[in-house]
Amino acid sequence: EPEVTQTPSHQVTQMGQEVILRCVPISNHLYFYWYRQILGQKVEFLVSFYNNEISEKSEIFDDQFSVERPDGSNFTLKIRSTKLEDSAMYFCASSAGTSGGAGEQFFGPGTRLTVL
Amino acid sequence: SQKIEQNSEALNIQEGKTATLTCNYTNYSPAYLQWYRQDPGRGPVFLLLIRENEKEKRKERLKVTFDTTLKQSLFHITASQPADSATYLCALPGGYNKLIFGAGTRLAVHP
Repeated sequence: EPEVTQTPSHQVTQMGQEVILRCVPISNHLYFYWYRQILGQKVEFLVSFYNNEISEKSEIFDDQFSVERPDGSNFTLKIRSTKLEDSAMYFCASSAGTSGGAGEQFFGPGTRLTVL
Repeated sequence: SQKIEQNSEALNIQEGKTATLTCNYTNYSPAYLQWYRQDPGRGPVFLLLIRENEKEKRKERLKVTFDTTLKQSLFHITASQPADSATYLCALPGGYNKLIFGAGTRLAVHP
């Protein structure tokens, strides 16, 4: 069964460093998302991406964040200068869009980002 | 903005019983509502989507209801098993292209 994959599974970085989180969405899906979950808290939307551009973003997704789909299969989230409060589990998701808008989404296993 | 309320207390039930979880929302009624399962340290897994014109939806041992008057969805697991133990998340569209998640309710099914 097709699934969303994410690498790395765990990333440790120093405050102020740049990190790139990588995702391979399900191949025929059209919509791509990043969410994050701080330990013990709810899953929070960061950004959605469709037709090679950002379609929606949250207040969390400030100028320190960027997303890219550099080729036909990868989808990346870059954090330019990490802060302690960026420590969280980051989930990539994709959807076919058949239910319209934010229909059923398929999530990857997550990347645990630890900022020291 | 839309707020989602799920019972923060864990639900403990005996194997074989029916588990019922509640999701309440506060503002506009969404066009649809979704339920996901999340195991510790893992990503959410899609379970069911119910549209505003559907009162009830079933999938194997799962049943979801959607009452737009009460602004509430109920999620039932019948004949529950220890393997059903997880956190169950309610999610609503928060815009055209994003989901808002509730904090989830942890279900523990005891043998």
